[in-house]
Order: sequence, then C-alpha cells, then structure tokens
Amino acid sequence: DTGVSQNPRHKITKRGQNVTFRCDPISEHNRLYWYRQTLGQGPEFLTYFQNEAQLEKSRLLSDRFSAERPKGSFSTLEIQRTEQGDSAMYLCASSLGDSGANVLTFGAGSRLTVL
Amino acid sequence: KQEVTQIPAALSVPEGENLVLNCSFTDSAIYNLQWFRQDPGKGLTSLLLIQSSQREQTSGRLNASLDKSSGRSTLYIAASQPGDSATYLCAVSFYGQNFVFGPGTRLSVLP
Repeated sequence: DTGVSQNPRHKITKRGQNVTFRCDPISEHNRLYWYRQTLGQGPEFLTYFQNEAQLEKSRLLSDRFSAERPKGSFSTLEIQRTEQGDSAMYLCASSLGDSGANVLTFGAGSRLTVL
Repeated sequence: KQEVTQIPAALSVPEGENLVLNCSFTDSAIYNLQWFRQDPGKGLTSLLLIQSSQREQTSGRLNASLDKSSGRSTLYIAASQPGDSATYLCAVSFYGQNFVFGPGTRLSVLP
C-alpha cells in the first residue's frame, strides 16, 4: 500500500474556472476526510465520508464545493467558479473508523492557486 | 463551539533541550486526540494518538499526555534535534466524528 494519494499536486487556474481534485485513500480505510489549509493555519474541516455516505459537511462550505465518493473508494472534490479566496492546500485523509483508534493518515495535499 | 488552541505559536530552542508543547480544547467529551507533525509545504504525519480512556502515549523521544477534565494535552519532546524542526498540530475528535485542528506550534531547533 502506497498510502493516501492526491492528484494533482498543484493546480493553477483562473478565477471562475472549475477544478477537481482526486484522493485515493488507503484501500482498507472506510473513512475519508477533506480539509483545507491556508498558510500559517491549522487544517479546516470540509467534509467526511464513511464508505460512500457523506456523513458531515462543514457549514463553512459554500454551494460551490461538492465532494463525492461513489464506490466507497476514491473521492473527488470539485470547486466550481473558483475565487481567489479558494487558494489553499486541500488535504485528504483516511482512517479505519469505528476501530477505537481512528488514526488519520494524510496525503501530501493538492495546492490550488487561483489567479 | 468546539475549539482547539495551541501555545506557544512559535518556539525556538537550542539542540538538546527538552520542551513541552500545549494544546487546549473546549469540550471534554472527546473521542481521541492526535498529535501531528507538518514540514513546510508537506502533508501531515501522525505522531501519537491518545484515546479518551488513556492518559498518555509514548513513542521514542515523544510523550503525549491527556487531561480531559482540564481540557489539555501536552506533547513532550526529549533531547530535541534540528530534525525536529517543523510545525506540530494537535487535532481533537469530538464524539468520534470529524477532527478539529489547532493552529499549530512552529518549532525551530537550533544546532
């Protein structure tokens, strides 16, 4: 197992364009999380899935953000009509939830720059 | 509102010193707490996880403690090395759901 994989690692886009990030979790992990991190801040929760079900979504998340995990394996995070304020590192993590330990394993992140 | 804070925001120490990083949280009904390390421009690496029923966990030169009643956790690093320089983040899982992160402590260990 190669850990949590995120693609692309870096995306530069113009304001108003749509972008999509992909996360491939550790294969046996049933939980998958998306976080956003800006410079000098801790990660901010966006949403998480248990298997294919999206169980929680941050109230801070605007309608321009949508995430899916259609078969309970990989997940995509789409941002529509990007704004400069969306520039950040988007982090994906997975865990074996309900095990009592629920250790988060993070990917390297996808950095978004909106011009 | 569930919040996690960390002090100090930044810390600079000479190599070889023992040091303590602090994490505070507002709700004592936690499921578990994790400490992470983050190098500049990189993802997060899990260091230690403490479940709500535990009081401390140790891994090598690292020791993390948990006091739910006071809403605090500490990360103790013994005999610090320049390679320990990174940002250390505390994350709390409330009710076994998502994790709330603190802002981190940026550590510099000077040779």
